[in-house]
Amino acid sequence: AQSVTQLGSHVSVSEGALVLLRCNYSSSVPPYLFWYVQYPNQGLQLLLKYTSAATLVKGINGFEAEFKKSETSFHLTKPSAHMSDAAEYFCALSGGGADGLTFGKGTHLIIQP
Amino acid sequence: DSGVTQTPKHLITATGQRVTLRCSPRSGDLSVYWYQQSLDQGLQFLIQYYNGEERAKGNILERFSAQQFPDLHSELNLSSLELGDSALYFCASSPDINYGYTFGSGTRLTVV
Repeated sequence: AQSVTQLGSHVSVSEGALVLLRCNYSSSVPPYLFWYVQYPNQGLQLLLKYTSAATLVKGINGFEAEFKKSETSFHLTKPSAHMSDAAEYFCALSGGGADGLTFGKGTHLIIQP
Repeated sequence: DSGVTQTPKHLITATGQRVTLRCSPRSGDLSVYWYQQSLDQGLQFLIQYYNGEERAKGNILERFSAQQFPDLHSELNLSSLELGDSALYFCASSPDINYGYTFGSGTRLTVV
């Protein structure tokens, strides 16, 4: 069985500060890993994905994530937070098969002015 | 606009009723996935179709069913609705898992 754990249901940072959202996974096969963002009353938008190429993955809106196999982690970072980054962020995993994505419970990112 | 279209956006219905949610995938995507999002369960994978055939089942109740038609649009049928079925239902499409999924904006179902 595979699982995704997002540490911290709520993360608050000041505008301009570093954003770090934590994601750890468990998978018996090499995983595909994704970060999605959800703004209020909207669907999920793909931020970035790891699919066994480069371990440091750059995404949209200045976000990036690093796949660390030894730590089974895929943390999401952004050097400088912007007010528009306030949203719900989901880490997700796939074993590459047809079983759909397994999502973490999400982290609500709050940006303080 | 993500390219994945879901209708209706909102649906209010009574317990015991049946509803149908519709999804049109992004052009060229053969796979369609259905997810349920609720406050207590989070995002739960329900079912996947690939080019008209069921590929995988997740936490889908027996009261729920889905199908994908030759034009690749998909429908999720929810019957004998209960209050606990109130949730956001998302459809996503993908050409291949390497590309990730593209999600629609969802259908908010409220059962009263």
